[in-house]
Amino acid sequence: KNQVEQSPQSLIILEGKNCTLQCNYTVSPFSNLRWYKQDTGRGPVSLTIMTFSENTKSNGRYTATLDADTKQSSLHITASQLSDSASYICVVSDRGSTLGRLYFGRGTQLTVWP
Amino acid sequence: EADIYQTPRYLVIGTGKKITLECSQTMGHDKMYWYQQDPGMELHLIHYSYGVNSTEKGDLSSESTVSRIRTEHFPLTLESARPSHTSQYLCASSDYKTDYGYTFGSGTRLTVV
Repeated sequence: KNQVEQSPQSLIILEGKNCTLQCNYTVSPFSNLRWYKQDTGRGPVSLTIMTFSENTKSNGRYTATLDADTKQSSLHITASQLSDSASYICVVSDRGSTLGRLYFGRGTQLTVWP
Repeated sequence: EADIYQTPRYLVIGTGKKITLECSQTMGHDKMYWYQQDPGMELHLIHYSYGVNSTEKGDLSSESTVSRIRTEHFPLTLESARPSHTSQYLCASSDYKTDYGYTFGSGTRLTVV
């Protein structure tokens, strides 16, 4: 069964600290993996996209890694800010269908305290 | 700036009412989607469209219906709302130009009382 599992479910850190969010998936075949940030009451916004051949990709203070062999990805946030408080969702796309189906994780709820 | 717009942002209605959630995008994307999301849960696809006059049901069974008469417009209708329809509804669009990355609207938070 194609699944996307994220950990931890929730995380509280102090402003300025770093953190790493995890995503494990069983989706096959694999096309790409995206990390989205979803603020409370808003729609998700794309942070990064990674394809099979990419290991690391950065977007400002966000760095995503992908290990396609172990089917794991991580999102590292450096020097956290209060505005980083949000849900971070891992989304995996397969390449087996015309739709390019997406599989969503439940997200990690990050809270940054001052 | 958001290029996909959903209205209303919040809606509280009584059981049995007919409602339409609006979704419009200005990017000319061919594909559009409706997702349902409950707190702390993953997004579930309820409807999608490949283009004008094309609509399909998603993975999650839904009593709602959709239409795609114009490329930019993808409204979702509930003929008779029930408390079980209380949820957040997210509209999204995608296109080959963005490698089919999704652009999401801000969502409509629906509460049926």
